[in-house]
Amino acid sequence: NAGVTQTPKFQVLKTGQSMTLQCAQDMNHEYMSWYRQDPGMGLRLIHYSVGAGITDQGEVPNGYNVSRSTTEDFPLRLLSAAPSQTSVYFCASSPSRANTEAFFGQGTRLTVV
Amino acid sequence: AQKITQTQPGMFVQEKEAVTLDCTYDTSDPSYGLFWYKQPSSGEMIFLIYQGSYDQQNATEGRYSLNFQKARKSANLVISASQLGDSAMYFCAMREGISWGKLQFGAGTQVVVTP
Repeated sequence: NAGVTQTPKFQVLKTGQSMTLQCAQDMNHEYMSWYRQDPGMGLRLIHYSVGAGITDQGEVPNGYNVSRSTTEDFPLRLLSAAPSQTSVYFCASSPSRANTEAFFGQGTRLTVV
Repeated sequence: AQKITQTQPGMFVQEKEAVTLDCTYDTSDPSYGLFWYKQPSSGEMIFLIYQGSYDQQNATEGRYSLNFQKARKSANLVISASQLGDSAMYFCAMREGISWGKLQFGAGTQVVVTP
């Protein structure tokens, strides 16, 4: 079982560059989310999606774009990378049933220099 | 406003002892779910236990149990018989109402288990 797959695992960007973090799940989950984790803090929600074609902003959406054209994929785009976006990024998916947990990818460690 | 509060940034526990990790939450929605995740030094997020707001009994999963006190809005995690492999960061998280795709996390508690 692949579960939630994130690529790449590590990335270094220069300030101003753009890139896309990939996230794919093979569990046919309706919900997918992106979080960032900074030192000393819990995970903070960037964007989420409740189904293909539907996305919404989370707590810290600035500087990031998402789209969801298929149930399986939920890429996160950094439009113009800034050092403040240095973080570990997690993608998660969950079914719409109330009493089920979110399944997380392995994370992407991003450094912006 | 912070919706999930974990007041213990770090704690040490001896092997084979029990440890309680505190979590308080804030919501006005009658329907919510509470989760605990473990994050070892390798970085992955591992689901431990879930408690629904309408569940009558405290959740248990092996050595993990959740002490759910609804009126006090607390959802403390109890790890019994600690093992060295329990050393990790532990996060409490909440889902509110119909927003089941969104989790709100606390800042976490770092647990170190000593021999």
